[in-house]
Amino acid sequence: EDKVVQSPLSLVVHEGDTVTLNCSYEVTNFRSLLWYKQEKKAPTFLFMLTSSGIEKKSGRLSSILDKKELFSILNITATQTGDSAVYLCALSRGNQFYFGTGTSLTVIP
Amino acid sequence: NAGVTQTPKFRILKIGQSMTLQCTQDMNHNYMYWYRQDPGMGLKLIYYSVGAGITDKGEVPNGYNVSRSTTEDFPLRLELAAPSQTSVYFCASSYPTRQTGSNTEAFFGQGTRLTVV
Repeated sequence: EDKVVQSPLSLVVHEGDTVTLNCSYEVTNFRSLLWYKQEKKAPTFLFMLTSSGIEKKSGRLSSILDKKELFSILNITATQTGDSAVYLCALSRGNQFYFGTGTSLTVIP
Repeated sequence: NAGVTQTPKFRILKIGQSMTLQCTQDMNHNYMYWYRQDPGMGLKLIYYSVGAGITDKGEVPNGYNVSRSTTEDFPLRLELAAPSQTSVYFCASSYPTRQTGSNTEAFFGQGTRLTVV
């Protein structure tokens, strides 16, 4: 059965901390792994990763995919209260997406 | 650009009532999806469509129906609402890209919060 597991389920940090969110999967033959940020409304797209070992960066956020060990991580450095959200990982295969349950991040001032 | 538009944003239904959640996209995307999201849970696929006239069941289709008569519209129908259908519903769209051989990212509507009492 295809499975996408995110950890931790929830996380509380202080502003300025660095966090690492994990996404492990048991999905075969997927084409890309995506990260989304969801703040009490629609998920917004962050990254799409298609190749193993190549880091993608956007400001304080970065992500990398390891196709050998079957996981991806999302790093957020110097966290801010605006980073508080649920972060979703999804795998894209064919015409479908397989979503994890998300990691809820709370950043305390 | 409107993107993916869902209506209504909120709705309260009584048990046994029926309703249609509307979804339309103006990006000419082939693929459209309906997900539900329960508190603390990820997105579960209800139905999806790869083009006008074609629909398929997802992970949790029971109690729902869809149609895709045009590329733009993908309404979701609840025939006999039950408390278990209380959830937030998201419509999304995407299109196949030759570059990766798979989808682009999914573009989401703003969601419909449905409560069945």
